[in-house]
Amino acid sequence: AQSVTQLDSHVSVSEGTPVLLRCNYSSSYSPSLFWYVQHPNKGLQLLLKYTSAATLVKGINGFEAEFKKSETSFHLTKPSAHMSDAAEYFCVVRTYNDYKLSFGAGTTVTVRA
Amino acid sequence: EPEVTQTPSHQVTQMGQEVILRCVPISNHLYFYWYRQILGQKVEFLVSFYNNEISEKSEIFDDQFSVERPDGSNFTLKIRSTKLEDSAMYFCASSELPNTEAFFGQGTRLTVV
Repeated sequence: AQSVTQLDSHVSVSEGTPVLLRCNYSSSYSPSLFWYVQHPNKGLQLLLKYTSAATLVKGINGFEAEFKKSETSFHLTKPSAHMSDAAEYFCVVRTYNDYKLSFGAGTTVTVRA
Repeated sequence: EPEVTQTPSHQVTQMGQEVILRCVPISNHLYFYWYRQILGQKVEFLVSFYNNEISEKSEIFDDQFSVERPDGSNFTLKIRSTKLEDSAMYFCASSELPNTEAFFGQGTRLTVV
């Protein structure tokens, strides 16, 4: 069985400061891990993915995430938040032999001017 | 850039009525999915579809639900007799392969009254 825990339901940052969204996963097999973002009234957009290549993954809009197998974590970071980063972020896992994605509960990010 | 499109964006239906949610996956993708998100809850997997048959389904996907690929481009989700608890955002997704990233549509917000 696979599951995802997003450790923060809500993160608030000031514009220009770093963002950290925490995610832990459990998976019986080698996982693929993803971060998706959902802006208000928009669909789910893929930010980045980890599929057993480099453990540090770079995505769109300056986001990156590091896969740490020993800690079963896949935290998302961005060095400098922008107002347009305000959205909901989902950490998602899929095991190698499974079709379905398992979503975390989501983290809502607000950015203060 | 290719994208998954869903129609309608919002549907209101009376309890007991049948609804059909429509999706046009990305044209060279072979795997198709439906997910749903009840307000305030996690995004949940419903069903995956490949080669004109269901490849996996969740416990939520009972006999009231069905999926179909009626032609070469559309992928539909039918709910035969809607219940109040079917009210949710329904997302369609597609991927080239089962272990590649899934691209999501904008979602259809279904409201059952």
